[in-house]
Amino acid sequence: DQQVKQNSPSLSVQEGRISILNCDYTNSMFDYFLWYKKYPAEGPTFLISISSIKDKNEDGRFTVFLNKSAKHLSLHIVPSQPGDSAVYFCAAREMFSGGYNKLIFGAGTRLAVHP
Amino acid sequence: EPEVTQTPSHQVTQMGQEVILRCVPISNHLYFYWYRQILGQKVEFLVSFYNNEISEKSEIFDDQFSVERPDGSNFTLKIRSTKLEDSAMYFCASERVGGIGYGYTFGSGTRLTVV
Repeated sequence: DQQVKQNSPSLSVQEGRISILNCDYTNSMFDYFLWYKKYPAEGPTFLISISSIKDKNEDGRFTVFLNKSAKHLSLHIVPSQPGDSAVYFCAAREMFSGGYNKLIFGAGTRLAVHP
Repeated sequence: EPEVTQTPSHQVTQMGQEVILRCVPISNHLYFYWYRQILGQKVEFLVSFYNNEISEKSEIFDDQFSVERPDGSNFTLKIRSTKLEDSAMYFCASERVGGIGYGYTFGSGTRLTVV
């Protein structure tokens, strides 16, 4: 049951160019989407998020776009830097009446930014 | 910057043995979670914990798993009789009220290897 899908296991981009990471979801009840960055031997680190009522959120070099009708979101990194090389996870939030937030993750995309 | 601390970073155990994975959440956080990541796969929700009780648990979290917050600071995950398929990275996370995003913090994980 893959409610959140990241179909590209890896992406290689040249330094200075744009990186575009894609994510699809199936559950219409998700109301909040997040991108996490993960280095080896570390936990996921929050990068950027977007509410389902918006279609774009920007934070510095990072922009997330949401297309609700297509159930698709993407993360743009411009310009890409070698330090951006990591695994990027897309996640969706299921919020419950108890106030806690359960995150449903995709399988991740390994981004390699080369000089 | 406050951190979620997990110990040990790596644990090797024999099949059938009990293991306890330990986590120290961020002090003013109220919601606690365990996730796991089997090598190369997605991060999966195991359990959420609030007000000293389980809020939700996944299908993975069967009778062999338990969680507790014995002293108000530590948050532990116990696996009573480990199986080979329990080998994974286990991540603890803690969240402040309304903390989705920056207020939802993961630890660096414990790599559990069952032999």
